[in-house]
Order: sequence, then structure tokens, then C-alpha cells
Amino acid sequence: GAVVSQHPSWVICKSGTSVKIECRSLDFQATTMFWYRQFPKQSLMLMATSNEGSKATYEQGVEKDKFLINHASLTLSTLTVTSAHPEDSSFYICSARDGRGREAFFGQGTRLTVV
Amino acid sequence: RKEVEQDPGPFNVPEGATVAFNCTYSNSASQSFFWYRQDCRKEPKLLMSVYSSGNEDGRFTAQLNRASQYISLLIRDSKLSDSATYLCVTSTGGGNKLTFGTGTQLKVEL
Repeated sequence: GAVVSQHPSWVICKSGTSVKIECRSLDFQATTMFWYRQFPKQSLMLMATSNEGSKATYEQGVEKDKFLINHASLTLSTLTVTSAHPEDSSFYICSARDGRGREAFFGQGTRLTVV
Repeated sequence: RKEVEQDPGPFNVPEGATVAFNCTYSNSASQSFFWYRQDCRKEPKLLMSVYSSGNEDGRFTAQLNRASQYISLLIRDSKLSDSATYLCVTSTGGGNKLTFGTGTQLKVEL
């Protein structure tokens, strides 16, 4: 099946620094990718929809200037958490559909810890 | 009210048991329905899609009741490896956006 690769798997950073997370579709082209965040014991919450070649669409309550999304190619979307704070510590997951089926494929997720 | 509601559990069942999970959704525009499985600290993985007529995949059976906006998942002959969190997921037609429930945690014990 289609594969979505996400890196890094985990990162620990200091408060105030920025962290970039990459999401790649390995064997298909994804014009749209999705970024989710999951806090412990909570559901995945959609943060934004990443559109290749255009601006991302952010969900209500998600700061676009804090969570920068770039989708420069059909196989790569990046999420940058700028000026990270401890409350940004969470599990970030990207996903994409390959356009052939209904299944959404997920990256392995990135566990971010801000200290 | 959450758009997709599930009982968080945990449900602790003995190996070999039959267990069922339910899910309700509030968006009547939802057209696609799924059950995903998520292991601890891992990404969700598709378990099965849910069709109006009901569908079965091995030990797993999914049902959809559009009138009641209710989805179910039945697991027969539970295995230890079935221990995970089961996520009820909906999607509106034509779009790719998925809406997740909080998940139901299942623990299968010896």
C-alpha cells in the first residue's frame, strides 16, 4: 500500500526554538496532505490542510503564524512549529490520500517535547 | 458536543471473547465511515471501511445505521494482539478531511 514517511520520530527542544517536521509520500503524489495533533488520551485533531502550490487551510483556533506549513512539491509537506512552548508538546501526525482509494495513510508521527 | 463520540473504555476482555464498540456521529453530511486502529504511541492504521449494508473482514464486522447516525464494530474471538485503541472516523463526501472520535481502548487479557 501507499506509504507516508514522517520525520523526525521524536524531538526534544528548548522553549523558544523552532522545529520542522517533514511528511513525504513515498510512492504517490499527494496534492493535499493533512496535519493532525494528538494530546494524550484525546482524539486526533485536524490542524490544517496542506495544499501543494498554495496556502494551507487552517482549522479554527490554530495559529497560522505559529504553525507554518509549506507544501512545495507533490511529495513533501513540512510543518514548522515556531517559537515552541511546553504547551506545544504533543504528537503531530501527517496524512495523505493517494487519490485511488478511500484510505488515508498516516506518517509515523512526531512526538514533540518542549522543555 | 463532539462530532464523533465514542466510549473511551477501557474495555478489558478475556482472550476469545466477543466485544462490540459503538460510535455516534452528529454531522448528517458524513458520507464515508471507517474504523482505524491505533497502538500506543503509533500512527492510526485503517482497520476497515464501513458500508451501509454492513461488512465483514475476518473476525471484524462493521455496521452503519445512517438513520440513527450510529456505527458499530464487532470483534469475535479476541486475540491479545487486538489490544489497541479503536478510532471511529467519518468523512464528508468529496472531501478528504477526516473527523476522529476519541477512540475506545480495548485490552485483551489471558
